[in-house]
Amino acid sequence: GAGVSQSPSNKVTEKGKDVELRCDPISGHTALYWYRQSLGQGLEFLIYFQGNSAPDKSGLPSDRFSAERTGGSVSTLTIQRTQQEDSAVYLCASSPGGSDYGYTFGSGTRLTVV
Amino acid sequence: EDQVTQSPEALRLQEGESSSLNCSYTVSGLRGLFWYRQDPGKGPEFLFTLYSAGEEKEKERLKATLTKKESFLHITAPKPEDSATYLCAVQAIHNQGGKLIFGQGTELSVKP
Repeated sequence: GAGVSQSPSNKVTEKGKDVELRCDPISGHTALYWYRQSLGQGLEFLIYFQGNSAPDKSGLPSDRFSAERTGGSVSTLTIQRTQQEDSAVYLCASSPGGSDYGYTFGSGTRLTVV
Repeated sequence: EDQVTQSPEALRLQEGESSSLNCSYTVSGLRGLFWYRQDPGKGPEFLFTLYSAGEEKEKERLKATLTKKESFLHITAPKPEDSATYLCAVQAIHNQGGKLIFGQGTELSVKP
């Protein structure tokens, strides 16, 4: 497709369960980013992938969070043993390489932990 | 610590009433400053990148300017369809190609 695709668009899960969030970036974009947007908060950086380089994981809030990017394309963000404070909109973005072109964001996955 | 502060948090304008949004930043070497627009239920949409003090960019009714400490997003004769949250973000030189630090955003409402 022409844009960044994220699935599911909404996810409700019980506290303690694991969840996987998927991101399909724009074809040919080498850089992929995950951000989190909590209610009333700004966007919080989580992780960044660039080509075959080691990812920048400096924003992951705890070891319950992990992400991978397979074949330089699709990415999955996994949250283990979800907590209520994990409730937020998880946004994925991609860019051709570097940020000079700005990121293109997906519409996000709204995660609700009950 | 790299930081971005946007003001006001919310702004209500009448259609045609021009105004400006402010983005103040503190960063250890600015690589770029970014403006995004975000509509409810959607991801942010890229508007502009500014790189150096004195730089200006325009798109329709929007003009972004940059100084060494802040950026302004000027909205001239706004229309109701300009209603959205406007986000400012900075990238530091030490984060080449990497993370952006976002402000909290300014929620703009334009009434007909």
